[in-house]
Amino acid sequence: GNSVTQMEGPVTLSEEAFLTINCTYTATGYPSLFWYVQYPGEGLQLLLKATKADDKGSNKGFEATYRKETTSFHLEKGSVQVSDSAVYFCALRSAAGNKLTFGGGTRVLVKP
Amino acid sequence: DTAVSQTPKYLVTQMGNDKSIKCEQNLGHDTMYWYKQDSKKFLKIMFSYNNKELIINETVPNRFSPKSPDKAHLNLHINSLELGDSAVYFCASSPTGTGNTGELFFGEGSRLTVL
Repeated sequence: GNSVTQMEGPVTLSEEAFLTINCTYTATGYPSLFWYVQYPGEGLQLLLKATKADDKGSNKGFEATYRKETTSFHLEKGSVQVSDSAVYFCALRSAAGNKLTFGGGTRVLVKP
Repeated sequence: DTAVSQTPKYLVTQMGNDKSIKCEQNLGHDTMYWYKQDSKKFLKIMFSYNNKELIINETVPNRFSPKSPDKAHLNLHINSLELGDSAVYFCASSPTGTGNTGELFFGEGSRLTVL
């Protein structure tokens, strides 16, 4: 079946540091890939997505590139802010399916 | 103008009780979901309905029974609550057909604590 593996947190950074959260997946066919973010006390919201190989999703300074050869979708941001403190979820949706499979989430804490 | 709304936001109850969580979306989506998030933030799908019809039913105890009176509502009823049911339950919705980009729209969650 489909699965998503992402690095365990928490990840603690100083403001303006570079952030990388690794995400790899297992799926048949050509899934769509997503990053969701959950701010404290809130529901998940879509951060970015990519629907085919070599696509790059970007939003709010975050980027992730769909790498089919390494089955990865790593999330990066060049300069984090305190407001980026949240839990980040990598997810996939298979071409044939209609549900999202989530990774375990990575908590990021950015300190001033 | 909340898109996906859940009630209650917090629920504290005793073992053995029966409780319900309600969800409503005003996005005009055809598909709705229930996800369970445990204390380690792990998210797992429980159910999905498309236009009031059950389409996903993961391995969930029979004590959990979803009900969709119409495509804008998906409620979750839990019988005989157990300690392990303590979690945050998220409702979500998505469009189908050509409008389906794979994105889910989540509610703010309902934190259930079973004592």
